[in-house]
Amino acid sequence: NAGVTQTPKFQVLKTGQSMTLQCAQDMNHNSMYWYRQDPGMGLRLIYYSASEGTTDKGEVPNGYNVSRLNKREFSLRLESAAPSQTSVYFCASSNRDRSDQPQHFGDGTRLSIL
Amino acid sequence: KNEVEQSPQNLTAQEGEFITINCSYSVGISALHWLQQHPGGGIVSLFMLSSGKKKHGRLIATINIQEKHSSLHITASHPRDSAVYICAVSKETSGSRLTFGEGTQLTVNP
Repeated sequence: NAGVTQTPKFQVLKTGQSMTLQCAQDMNHNSMYWYRQDPGMGLRLIYYSASEGTTDKGEVPNGYNVSRLNKREFSLRLESAAPSQTSVYFCASSNRDRSDQPQHFGDGTRLSIL
Repeated sequence: KNEVEQSPQNLTAQEGEFITINCSYSVGISALHWLQQHPGGGIVSLFMLSSGKKKHGRLIATINIQEKHSSLHITASHPRDSAVYICAVSKETSGSRLTFGEGTQLTVNP
């Protein structure tokens, strides 16, 4: 019962370095999401993919890119990391892009940018 | 002002107490979600509701669409209930995309 798997769990980067966060789900879900969680703020949507082959910006997309590699995998890339991108990143998936679908979350990636 | 507001931000209770966490929202919604974030960081969906009331074990979630308000109740609280409880809404025009409250940190002492 893997559900949503994120790698890595922890990472420290220097300003300007690039990095890709990986996410895979084994529930045959159509929709996938990337969020960031910062102290004192709710989770915020970075990008989402309503279905395989589509991606759209969320609330805070600047500084990030995504790739929906196939139905299972949705990666998040930081091209030139900045200290403001220090955060905990969560990937999630849902069966469909509908409001009545619960989202299933990965365990998170804790990313620090020095 | 945030579109989803939770209260209280922090809550400490003694084991066995009845707990209520509140969520108010200011936008039209299709559904409201309650989630639990464990101390280790993992997030799980507890409830999804668009009207009325749902119950699962000791947890009860209610929603009043007219008042734009939802409550999460925990009966006979236990230290293992200690977690962050997060309210989120699916806005009417946003499909499955969620807008989150800041969360309520609950600590239940033995």
